Amino acid sequence: AQTVTQSQPEMSVQEAETVTLSCTYDTSESDYYLFWYKQPPSRQMILVIRQEAYKQQNATENRFSVNFQKAAKSFSLKISDSQLGDAAMYFCAYAPDKVIFGPGTSLSVIP
Amino acid sequence: DTGVSQDPRHKITKRGQNVTFRCDPISEHNRLYWYRQTLGQGPEFLTYFQNEAQLEKSRLLSDRFSAERPKGSFSTLEIQRTEQGDSAMYLCASSYCPGTSVCETQYFGPGTRLLVL
Repeated sequence: AQTVTQSQPEMSVQEAETVTLSCTYDTSESDYYLFWYKQPPSRQMILVIRQEAYKQQNATENRFSVNFQKAAKSFSLKISDSQLGDAAMYFCAYAPDKVIFGPGTSLSVIP
Repeated sequence: DTGVSQDPRHKITKRGQNVTFRCDPISEHNRLYWYRQTLGQGPEFLTYFQNEAQLEKSRLLSDRFSAERPKGSFSTLEIQRTEQGDSAMYLCASSYCPGTSVCETQYFGPGTRLLVL
């Protein structure tokens, strides 16, 4: 079965500090995408960052970067210089075709 | 490119009524997906289309649910004889799948929030 696990239901970070959100997944596929999506309260699901499984280099997008460990099936998200606007629900997701989401991590940013 | 759009954004209905939601994907995307999201949870896959063909349906999609994508463009999701347990956010997403490799990123619409009284 394909599953995505996020072991941290809630996280908080001080503004301007760095936080890392954890994610593990289970699959027998060799080619797939991994994503982090952000969903602010009552707002649209937004793509934060994407990683192709065949690429060894970790993806980065401005203040957001991932640590992708394919053998360990681990895909963590690091947010640097956290901002108040980063507060949201973060979903780790895995996609060979349809997207399979984890349960989410609620991130609070403390001013 | 206006992104994925969904209509209506909110729907309140009484138990037993039928409801229909619409999704307009990004124009060049050949795949269209429907997900359901309940409060505090991650979205759960319901079904997806490749062009007009419905290729997969989740076991979450009971007989009361039907989805169509008649011309390979917009899609509709109908729920018949709604129940209170159907209350959720219904999300649509689209992507481009080249056919020879994994599909590209899915982009989500704003969702339709359904409340069944």
